[in-house]
Amino acid sequence: DVKVTQSSRYLVKRTGEKVFLECVQDMDHENMFWYRQDPGLGLRLIYFSYDVKMKEKGDIPEGYSVSREKKERFSLILESASTNQTSMYLCASREQVYSGNTIYFGEGSWLTVV
Amino acid sequence: AQSVTQLDSQVPVFEEAPVELRCNYSSSVSVYLFWYVQYPNQGLQLLLKYLSGSTLVESINGFEAEFNKSQTSFHLRKPSVHISDTAEYFCAGAGNQFYFGTGTSLTVIP
Repeated sequence: DVKVTQSSRYLVKRTGEKVFLECVQDMDHENMFWYRQDPGLGLRLIYFSYDVKMKEKGDIPEGYSVSREKKERFSLILESASTNQTSMYLCASREQVYSGNTIYFGEGSWLTVV
Repeated sequence: AQSVTQLDSQVPVFEEAPVELRCNYSSSVSVYLFWYVQYPNQGLQLLLKYLSGSTLVESINGFEAEFNKSQTSFHLRKPSVHISDTAEYFCAGAGNQFYFGTGTSLTVIP
């Protein structure tokens, strides 16, 4: 069965802290994604990666960076957390780009910045 | 540009009544459409998808969606809802990225 694991379900961080959100998939998928989910706004793409060491900006990359050193792991980094980054973060993966391939999601990470 | 629009942000419906969740898409390239469901405090799960062929696609839990090219729609329907169907539903279109709608919150009332 497909498995996308987000290491932290609930985090509380202080303003200015550096935050790491980790995501691991076990399907050998080339594509990985980080989304942010907010009420009324749906899912917004932060960054995505086509393959190892490759990254592309999504719709809202400001204030975030990513790292993909290994195929199975895609990390989202908040260099200096701010209160407007309080949100639910969803990691996802998909097999090599064929537009019809299903995208699989992790359970989500709830981040609160105080 | 590819985009997906969900026309209703909240849909309350009584148990055992039918429901339709509306989704319209725009695309200048290809059309691959999906419906995902999100239960409280969980990630999104695939409900069903349209890639090609028959315009009516079904899920294992009684939902169905019909691809309508002339109306650029992919509405989700269920003839009789259960309490357990209460969730957030997302319509999505796919290309190099996934394009999600803003979601429809379905609340089934006992």
